[in-house]
Amino acid sequence: DTAVSQTPKYLVTQMGNDKSIKCEQNLGHDTMYWYKQDSKKFLKIMFSYNNKELIINETVPNRFSPKSPDKAHLNLHINSLELGDSAVYFCASSQVARSTGGANVLTFGAGSRLTVL
Amino acid sequence: AQSVAQPEDQVNVAEGNPLTVKCTYSVSGNPYLFWYVQYPNRGLQFLLKYITGDNLVKGSYGFEAEFNKSQTSFHLKKPSALVSDSALYFCAVRGVDSSYKLIFGSGTRLLVRP
Repeated sequence: DTAVSQTPKYLVTQMGNDKSIKCEQNLGHDTMYWYKQDSKKFLKIMFSYNNKELIINETVPNRFSPKSPDKAHLNLHINSLELGDSAVYFCASSQVARSTGGANVLTFGAGSRLTVL
Repeated sequence: AQSVAQPEDQVNVAEGNPLTVKCTYSVSGNPYLFWYVQYPNRGLQFLLKYITGDNLVKGSYGFEAEFNKSQTSFHLKKPSALVSDSALYFCAVRGVDSSYKLIFGSGTRLLVRP
């Protein structure tokens, strides 16, 4: 049973198109994230939702819009795709551990590799 | 600002030998530190974390990490490397402005040769 699942796993598209990546977690976690991993494997947080509320919104172009219909789902929509958007996008989830001051452990999905031509 | 540095892009070690993957951190306040591993074409997997307490933290797959406050380091170690340990390893620190944000290092590729 996959804990954090992302679809699609691979996405190849043309510049200027609009695409979406979906994420679902069945762990009962209250927080979900989108991370971007570039070609040099550097990981950077993009967004985070806690109980459907946006709590982290890093410096990301407005073309990227996350949506969380419920706390088990977090989708990422990208408008007007550019070459530089090519990357692997990881969804993750966590349950903030109040007893340990919030040192929450993230569970990651397998990633969605986006290639923009 | 919180940050972590992984000074080595790649670490090579022979199977059966001990391994160390280095990480140094910069935080204001008490550090919450993590190690994750990424196998090819997979998401990151949690290995271990340090919050408080013993400086030697034990984690999954026989890995451990030593927290050293004076050297601001949190090196990942394993007494005897396996070929299957070959992967990309990330050190991370919790952001001080948000308990939800993990800031990752640049990653270190571990190659264990038979």
